[in-house]
Amino acid sequence: NAGVTQTPKFQVLKTGQSMTLQCAQDMNHEYMSWYRQDPGMGLRLIHYSVGAGITDQGEVPNGYNVSRSTTEDFPLRLLSAAPSQTSVYFCASSYSTGGAAEQYFGPGTRLTVT
Amino acid sequence: SQQGEEDPQALSIQEGENATMNCSYKTSINNLQWYRQNSGRGLVHLILIRSNEREKHSGRLRVTLDTSKKSSSLLITASRAADTASYFCATDKNYGQNFVFGPGTRLSVLP
Repeated sequence: NAGVTQTPKFQVLKTGQSMTLQCAQDMNHEYMSWYRQDPGMGLRLIHYSVGAGITDQGEVPNGYNVSRSTTEDFPLRLLSAAPSQTSVYFCASSYSTGGAAEQYFGPGTRLTVT
Repeated sequence: SQQGEEDPQALSIQEGENATMNCSYKTSINNLQWYRQNSGRGLVHLILIRSNEREKHSGRLRVTLDTSKKSSSLLITASRAADTASYFCATDKNYGQNFVFGPGTRLSVLP
């Protein structure tokens, strides 16, 4: 199993550009989520999904969109990039909702917005 | 606001010593988890402890949970240089629909 994969590993955007961060998992997990990690802040939940077709907002959803058309994929879209979105983004999946089972994390995408 | 807060923020010990990290949280939880993150990598799950459990062990790791004090501790015994990493506690709110991480403890194990 590849586990949770994320692409790209690194990305530089100019302010106002849009892009999609890709996330895929091959463990047939229903629960998937996106976090951002900033220095000294730990991880903050952006959006999550409890199954195909179902998404919801986390703690910091503004400026981001998600969709879940399949169990495997959970892309994160930045609509109009801002310097405040410079961060490391992690995708995670789990067989159960957030706290009831361990989460498997991808390697992360380091995004810089200039 | 963050549900979990780790203490200390940074910890430096010698190889072979024990390392203890603490996590405090604000509201009632169903589960608490500990994760490790090596520099530049994703998080790796260490232990999950449920609200009705008081202690769990996994190899050199020991986790305790005191729901009356809303706190948990992670003990790493006989630490190794490879244990150098950041350690995070994470708690669920709203029956697990929202999973919240603390800011982490940076552990340095010196050879």
